[in-house]
Amino acid sequence: DAGVIQSPRHEVTEMGQEVTLRCKPISGHNSLFWYRQTMMRGLELLIYFNNNVPIDDSGMPEDRFSAKMPNASFSTLKIQPSEPRDSAVYFCASRPTGGLYLWGNEQFFGPGTRLTVL
Amino acid sequence: QQQVKQSPQSLIVQKGGISIINCAYENTAFDYFPWYQQFPGKGPALLIAIRPDVSEKKEGRFTISFNKSAKQFSLHIMDSQPGDSATYFCAASKETSGSRLTFGEGTQLTVNP
Repeated sequence: DAGVIQSPRHEVTEMGQEVTLRCKPISGHNSLFWYRQTMMRGLELLIYFNNNVPIDDSGMPEDRFSAKMPNASFSTLKIQPSEPRDSAVYFCASRPTGGLYLWGNEQFFGPGTRLTVL
Repeated sequence: QQQVKQSPQSLIVQKGGISIINCAYENTAFDYFPWYQQFPGKGPALLIAIRPDVSEKKEGRFTISFNKSAKQFSLHIMDSQPGDSATYFCAASKETSGSRLTFGEGTQLTVNP
């Protein structure tokens, strides 16, 4: 298995531009999480989906952020318009739920997208 | 009640020494306590995890100690190696399908050769 795939790995954009981050979870995983990591705030959960349905978006900073999961193999996190304070590393993680998974709550993280907003 | 507090923020240990990282939680409903390890430029990865019905779990050089009454748990790395240099996150959750992990602030561990 290729693991969680994120694209792009690096994104540099100017303030005000729209940014779209993409994630392909591990096949068969039912839950998907979007995190943001900064030195100041650590690892923050932005939103998570179960079976493509958003369950908790309380971590989404503001209306400029939106996330979608149109199917089990793809999710996007969009920032519009982007601001310099959005600069961070954004991680996507997936996890199997129920069924084959016997114990625990392990999340499998992707390599992250480093976003720089100038 | 959802917070997980982690300390220290950074830790420097000599090769062969013991690294100890501590976490405290508030929510008594939490019943799953993992530690994640993150190397620079990579995403976090599960290192070891424990349920509250045991007080200790050991996997190789890594041990979790759990104190349910104090609502605290810790990671011990024995015989620390330079390759262990990474950021370590504790976390907690309710072990139910679809539940979220609450992460600590992270500890940057440096093991000097």
